[in-house]
Amino acid sequence: NAGVTQTPKFQVLKTGQSMTLQCAQDMNHNSMYWYRQDPGMGLRLIYYSASEGTTDKGEVPNGYNVSRLNKREFSLRLESAAPSQTSVYFCASSNHRGPAYEQYFGPGTRLTVT
Amino acid sequence: SQQGEEDPQALSIQEGENATMNCSYKTSINNLQWYRQNSGRGLVHLILIRSNEREKHSGRLRVTLDTSKKSSSLLITASRAADTASYFCATDEEAAGNKLTFGGGTRVLVKP
Repeated sequence: NAGVTQTPKFQVLKTGQSMTLQCAQDMNHNSMYWYRQDPGMGLRLIYYSASEGTTDKGEVPNGYNVSRLNKREFSLRLESAAPSQTSVYFCASSNHRGPAYEQYFGPGTRLTVT
Repeated sequence: SQQGEEDPQALSIQEGENATMNCSYKTSINNLQWYRQNSGRGLVHLILIRSNEREKHSGRLRVTLDTSKKSSSLLITASRAADTASYFCATDEEAAGNKLTFGGGTRVLVKP
């Protein structure tokens, strides 16, 4: 099992450009998450999907959109990138419907917006 | 806003010593989890303690939870250079539903 995979690993964008970060998990998990991590800080939740077909906003959703394409895949889109979106983005998945259980993380995407 | 706040922010110890870090939170929780992040990598789950548990062990890790003080501690015994990483607590708030809220982390450096 590959676990949680993310593409790309690195990306540099100019202000105003758009891009989609891809995430896939092969553990048949119901829930998937997108976080951002700024230098020296913890993770902040951008969006999450508790099950296929549902998505909900997290703590910092502005400037982002998501798509839960199927049970395996959850993508994050930046429509018009801004320097404030320079960060490391992590996708995670978890197999629960009630109280949160452990989350499995991908390796991250380092995004720089100039 | 961050539910869990770790203390200290950074810790430097010699190999073989114990490392203790603390996490405080604000609201009622279902459980509290600890994660480790090696430099440039994703987070790895270490241990989960439920709100009705007071202590849990996993190998060299010991976690305590005091719901009356809304705090938890992570103890790493007999530390090794490979324990060098950032450690994060994450809380599953009762009202949040399917989400974790992460603290800012404790950076631990274990010197050989």
